[in-house]
Amino acid sequence: GAVVSQHPSWVICKSGTSVKIECRSLDFQATTMFWYRQFPKQSLMLMATSNEGSKATYEQGVEKDKFLINHASLTLSTLTVTSAHPEDSSFYICSERTLGGYGYTFGSGTRLTVV
Amino acid sequence: GESVGLHLPTLSVQEGDNSIINCAYSNSASDYFIWYKQESGKGPQFIIDIRSNMDKRQGQRVTVLLNKTVKHLSLQIAATQPGDSAVYFCAESFFRSGTYKYIFGTGTRLKVLA
Repeated sequence: GAVVSQHPSWVICKSGTSVKIECRSLDFQATTMFWYRQFPKQSLMLMATSNEGSKATYEQGVEKDKFLINHASLTLSTLTVTSAHPEDSSFYICSERTLGGYGYTFGSGTRLTVV
Repeated sequence: GESVGLHLPTLSVQEGDNSIINCAYSNSASDYFIWYKQESGKGPQFIIDIRSNMDKRQGQRVTVLLNKTVKHLSLQIAATQPGDSAVYFCAESFFRSGTYKYIFGTGTRLKVLA
């Protein structure tokens, strides 16, 4: 099955700075990757769908200028949280479709803390 | 027992007993469903899946039941073990805007009591 590497696993940043989270597909060329956000003790909320070579598709209520997604290659998608604020502190997870099936493989997640 | 509050609902089960975790999905057009297990600080891990043309599927110690009439999904874990303690999410998949969307349910925390 697919292997997804997400980096960093955790990051602490100051308010107003930007943070980039990377999601790499190690054994599969993923044309589509998904980005989720998870608050403590809550479910995963789909933020956006990242499409290789084209603009990302954002879910309703997700600020495009706030959460910049780039999918420049078949193996790398990045999420940049711009001008981060404490309310952006969350667990961010990427996923890709599993090779050969409908299922999805998830990265290990990134814990973002904005201070 | 099972409780629902401001946090994730929690199901407490004695070790060795069977666990049943329930999930209500939202979209009648969903044609694929997956159960995931998430341990603290980690991404979700695949447990078992089922397509909409089936109503039951069995894996190792786990069974998923699908009732499309009432849009209900359940995960049964046989002989629950301490390592099963985690949060369990169901997810539904449907096609929209040119791609498959994948939406997670609210999740249930499973606590296995020794």
